Amino acid sequence: GQQLNQSPQSMFIQEGEDVSMNCTSSSIFNTWLWYKQEPGEGPVLLIALYKAGELTSNGRLTAQFGITRKDSFLNISASIPSDVGIYFCAGQPTGTASKLTFGTGTRLQVTL
Amino acid sequence: GAGVSQTPSNKVTEKGKYVELRCDPISGHTALYWYRQSLGQGPEFLIYFQGTGAADDSGLPNDRFFAVRPEGSVSTLKIQRTERGDSAVYLCASSPSLAGMSNEQFFGPGTRLTVL
Repeated sequence: GQQLNQSPQSMFIQEGEDVSMNCTSSSIFNTWLWYKQEPGEGPVLLIALYKAGELTSNGRLTAQFGITRKDSFLNISASIPSDVGIYFCAGQPTGTASKLTFGTGTRLQVTL
Repeated sequence: GAGVSQTPSNKVTEKGKYVELRCDPISGHTALYWYRQSLGQGPEFLIYFQGTGAADDSGLPNDRFFAVRPEGSVSTLKIQRTERGDSAVYLCASSPSLAGMSNEQFFGPGTRLTVL
């Protein structure tokens, strides 16, 4: 099935650094979601975006819904070791029922 | 409160066997979704229920896969004549959605299916 293009595929950063990742689609979405997944667990919702151009924060996390509605960005500031995991974007295509299309994931490793 | 629960957490079966995977959504959530996640990939949509009915089953890969939600709460994903390629983590999610208004889907821990 279709998966969104997510980059980078993986990141190795030092504690305290800021992180940016993005997600692009060839088609328009009317909702963007960002999830984090740790080994052996299901994805956990971090941020939900509902409007083009919207910028939303959740603690050290900030996400934006691109104005073209074909992309989204997630930033993590001042990373800490517990930020380790795989981050997935997910979108709902316009006119489609509530299924989500996920990105390929960004694996984040944080070193002390 | 209780989140989405899935049983079993792990299932090992032999090629050709039948398996059932169960999902208990968050209480009161009307929408329930099944996804499949292969190693190194993001989850892929299988089927979506609104209440008791399957609103979208376009992600089911073939007719060996079937899901039910008879009372609008618990759902069972059924796989007949399992194949090695069915090995994956099967994730269930639920949302309070009424007619697809909200997309904040909350996921369970998944069932890891291994077909030998």
